Amino acid sequence: GAVVSQHPSRVICKSGTSVKIECRSLDFQATTMFWYRQFPKKSLMLMATSNEGSKATYEQGVEKDKFLINHASLTLSTLTVTSAHPEDSSFYICSASFEREWGEQFFGPGTRLTVL
Amino acid sequence: GQNIDQPTEMTATEGAIVQINCTYQTSGFNGLFWYQQHAGEAPTFLSYNVLDGLEEKGRFSSFLSRSKGYSYLLLKELQMKDSASYLCAVRDSNYQLIWGAGTKLIIKP
Repeated sequence: GAVVSQHPSRVICKSGTSVKIECRSLDFQATTMFWYRQFPKKSLMLMATSNEGSKATYEQGVEKDKFLINHASLTLSTLTVTSAHPEDSSFYICSASFEREWGEQFFGPGTRLTVL
Repeated sequence: GQNIDQPTEMTATEGAIVQINCTYQTSGFNGLFWYQQHAGEAPTFLSYNVLDGLEEKGRFSSFLSRSKGYSYLLLKELQMKDSASYLCAVRDSNYQLIWGAGTKLIIKP
């Protein structure tokens, strides 16, 4: 149990376009979902935390208008990278938790975004 | 299918050494990561292995054997603050991350 999926698994887009990434909890209701960005061979950087039905809480330095997060239901959160640029190319990972605060998290497989 | 196995929970004594094992079966291999997650906090990166052998970073070391599908995280001179969950993740041939369920490490005085 506690499976989290992401779609798409990889996406290549042109500079200036917007890309939407979906994160779904398949067999449980996720009160809280987290979005991370992973830099090559390195750390997982938390971008934002979202609770179902409320606005996402963004980490310092993460642009709210660029990375739009919607957590409309208990099983789905979306991250939209607006007007993507090559520097946004990265690996984006979501995780989901049963609990509202930092409980046990279940991680998705990630989405590889390449912006040309 | 693809899976990552690591123990659910381990207990160790302050000042001692503990080894957390991770075995994996994935379609391809493009690196293995270890993360530490304290309760109430975001995960933090510990190590990355892509070649066989041992990578040492202070009190923490990580070992990889690709032929055996095996890695371990070694923590030396354990401190109470090392009580946390340790996550193993493998990147497969499609660059998808396959996550282990994490090992909860309890440090006792």
